[in-house]
Amino acid sequence: SQTIHQWPATLVQPVGSPLSLECTVEGTSNPNLYWYRQAAGRGLQLLFYSVGIGQISSEVPQNLSASRPQDRQFILSSKKLLLSDSGFYLCARRGGGSSTDTQYFGPGTRLTVL
Amino acid sequence: QKEVEQNSGPLSVPEGAIASLNCTYSDRVSQSFFWYRQYSGKSPELIMSIYSNGDKEDGRFTAQLNKASQYVSLLIRDSQPSDSATYLCAVGNSGGYQKVTFGTGTKLQVIP
Repeated sequence: SQTIHQWPATLVQPVGSPLSLECTVEGTSNPNLYWYRQAAGRGLQLLFYSVGIGQISSEVPQNLSASRPQDRQFILSSKKLLLSDSGFYLCARRGGGSSTDTQYFGPGTRLTVL
Repeated sequence: QKEVEQNSGPLSVPEGAIASLNCTYSDRVSQSFFWYRQYSGKSPELIMSIYSNGDKEDGRFTAQLNKASQYVSLLIRDSQPSDSATYLCAVGNSGGYQKVTFGTGTKLQVIP
């Protein structure tokens, strides 16, 4: 199976502190990976996507960044968190085989910025 | 701006009834359509995908697609309390990196 792991599961951080969220994928090589944010009462917002190691595309300019240091690892970072960064962060992968146009989500990280 | 619109609800139906969830999208060249279920505090899980006009059935779920009207729906037959969740409609472009746009979801409450 192609399992997505995310950690931490929950995080409470003060405004202005740094952030690092990690996503790892099992069971597949060179997956397309995505970072989404789901704020309270809002839809899923695509933040970044990656088609391979070191290849990152940003959808929304903001104080977040992403990196892909290894084939199955995708990291979301920030140097200084804002209150508006609070939300549910989801890592997703593109499906393979007959479901290449489907996205599958990891368990998510709930971030609260105080 | 490509948009996917859903009524936020809550949609309340009695146990055993049919729940009907609707979604409209703005991008006429969209090629793939999905319904996800999201329980409170959990990540979305895929229920169904549909690509062609018409109906697609999977167990108690039926997805309906009308590209001319830019309309997608999900029917849940014999609704159960365990179906209570937020249902997200998603539309994909099947392009090079496969971008999917999500609606804000409809909250379904199945009353025992």
